[in-house]
Amino acid sequence: DQQVKQNSPSLSVQEGRISILNCDYTNSMFDYFLWYKKYPAEGPTFLISISSIKDKNEDGRFTVFLNKSAKHLSLHIVPSQPGDSAVYFCAATRGTASKLTFGTGTRLQVTL
Amino acid sequence: DVKVTQSSRYLVKRTGEKVFLECVQDMDHENMFWYRQDPGLGLRLIYFSYDVKMKEKGDIPEGYSVSREKKERFSLILESASTNQTSMYLCASRTGGTSPLEQFFGPGTRLTVL
Repeated sequence: DQQVKQNSPSLSVQEGRISILNCDYTNSMFDYFLWYKKYPAEGPTFLISISSIKDKNEDGRFTVFLNKSAKHLSLHIVPSQPGDSAVYFCAATRGTASKLTFGTGTRLQVTL
Repeated sequence: DVKVTQSSRYLVKRTGEKVFLECVQDMDHENMFWYRQDPGLGLRLIYFSYDVKMKEKGDIPEGYSVSREKKERFSLILESASTNQTSMYLCASRTGGTSPLEQFFGPGTRLTVL
């Protein structure tokens, strides 16, 4: 039972444009969400997070939006750069639980 | 900066062998985790530990065991490796308490079981 879903396995965006990566979840108990970025042959690195008490969090070129009623979150990257080409995972957790539940990932390709 | 290191980047083993994957973190983190990453399946939690000698099963613990004798070290053991355990194995750690909740990952071990 996939509680966190990333329905787009891949996305291609031109350099300078906006990249929008989407994530849906089914467990209404989740109250904290994170995005990780992963390059090949490296471990994931933390990008940005959002608590369920907020609907938006911004860090430089990265903004995460949370729609609790739709159980949906999205990561916006503006402007997209070639170095952003990677696999992006969203993850969710509830309360102070240690466990993160990850989505299946979206491969972003930023083209010149 | 948090550093999480894993003993091998690439490993090739034969079916039936006992395999040890080692993970060390240098930030005095209470919590440590083992995941495997497979195409189309994302990261799946195998085991985690919130303290020395403590362990909890994750979502896919079958065929694996873990050991945490020291706070900085968390080992994943494949008692009898099988071909379906060919995967990328990722170790992570995070501090205890209520925040921050982000986990810090090691570079991964690509394990191939022949």
